[in-house]
Amino acid sequence: EDKVVQSPLSLVVHEGDTVTLNCSYEVTNFRSLLWYKQEKKAPTFLFMLTSSGIEKKSGRLSSILDKKELFSILNITATQTGDSAVYLCAVGAYSGGGADGLTFGKGTHLIIQP
Amino acid sequence: SQTIHQWPATLVQPVGSPLSLECTVEGTSNPNLYWYRQAAGRGLQLLFYSIGIDQISSEVPQNLSASRPQDRQFILSSKKLLLSDSGFYLCASLGRDRARGYTFGSGTRLTVV
Repeated sequence: EDKVVQSPLSLVVHEGDTVTLNCSYEVTNFRSLLWYKQEKKAPTFLFMLTSSGIEKKSGRLSSILDKKELFSILNITATQTGDSAVYLCAVGAYSGGGADGLTFGKGTHLIIQP
Repeated sequence: SQTIHQWPATLVQPVGSPLSLECTVEGTSNPNLYWYRQAAGRGLQLLFYSIGIDQISSEVPQNLSASRPQDRQFILSSKKLLLSDSGFYLCASLGRDRARGYTFGSGTRLTVV
């Protein structure tokens, strides 16, 4: 059974701090790893990672994948209160039926205090 | 870009009543469509996926069913709700451009009482 484990489950930091969120996985026929930000309702797409060692960046957010050690990290620098959200890690696997469904972790609930 | 419309946003239903949640997709054709459920303290769990009209696959045995009567319409149903069906239901779409990831609807918070 495919498994995705995120840590920590919750994190409280002060504005301006840098945070690192972790995601480890056990998946058969790995295809991609995705990060989402969920504030109140719909998760919004942050990154899709398919290759090891290539950092993806978007403003203050960055992420990297290690396919040998089966984990990914999401970094947020100079955090702001608007970064407060649940960050979801999900892994997609190749499946013969073409489903391309995702296995999600439980998420990291990040709270940024002013 | 894709947009998913999902309704209703909130629903309170008694045990044993029927359910129908609807999701429609704009901005893409022939997408893969998914229903996920997020229960308290748990991650998003894939319930159903569809790769085309009338093509539905179930990932977990349950009290729910799904249908796809049109290319961009995906419906989640139940004939008789259970307390354990409570949760946050999300519809998702995966278009042709896989690199853009999945697009999610705004979700339905279902409480069965």
